[in-house]
Amino acid sequence: AQSVTQLDSQVPVFEEAPVELRCNYSSSVSVYLFWYVQYPNQGLQLLLKYLSGSTLVKGINGFEAEFNKSQTSFHLRKPSVHISDTAEYFCAVTPLTSGTYKYIFGTGTRLKVLA
Amino acid sequence: EAGVAQSPRYKIIEKRQSVAFWCNPISGHATLYWYQQILGQGPKLLIQFQNNGVVDDSQLPKDRFSAERLKGVDSTLKIQPAKLEDSAVYLCASSLERNANTGELFFGEGSRLTVL
Repeated sequence: AQSVTQLDSQVPVFEEAPVELRCNYSSSVSVYLFWYVQYPNQGLQLLLKYLSGSTLVKGINGFEAEFNKSQTSFHLRKPSVHISDTAEYFCAVTPLTSGTYKYIFGTGTRLKVLA
Repeated sequence: EAGVAQSPRYKIIEKRQSVAFWCNPISGHATLYWYQQILGQGPKLLIQFQNNGVVDDSQLPKDRFSAERLKGVDSTLKIQPAKLEDSAVYLCASSLERNANTGELFFGEGSRLTVL
């Protein structure tokens, strides 16, 4: 079975400061990794994904994440945040062995960007 | 391209009443998911369809929840009778078949249920 841990439930940060949202996962098989963003009263939207290849993945809105297999982590970073980045961010994994994708989501990190 | 459509957006009911949610996935997407998102938690899978067949319903409370996907397109999720703990946002998502899929789920805006 797989599990996803997002240790930080809330992260406040000032505008234009850098931010890192942490994600650790547990799995006995290889997985695909994702970050989704959820703005208030909206569904989830894909930020970026790691399927294979380069461990540094770039996504939309200036976000990037680095896959670290030895530490089973997939932390999300942005060098300079904007007020509009205020949202909830979810890390998710899906194992590669199943016939269809079976996504497991973390509990989310609420990013609040302060002026 | 139209996104995943869900209705209603909001629903308030008394406990023990019934409610139904509707989802229309992106055209051509074979896989459809219903997730339950309780306030402060991540989405939890309730049921996954591949075309009109059920792939995974292991976390669906079958004594009160039911779901169907007619003709492999639209889907409805029903709760009968509702309990207070069913208050949540019900998210529908869809994706292409695995062999054509880059892994992305496409989500609707969700249906927010409040049970009083």
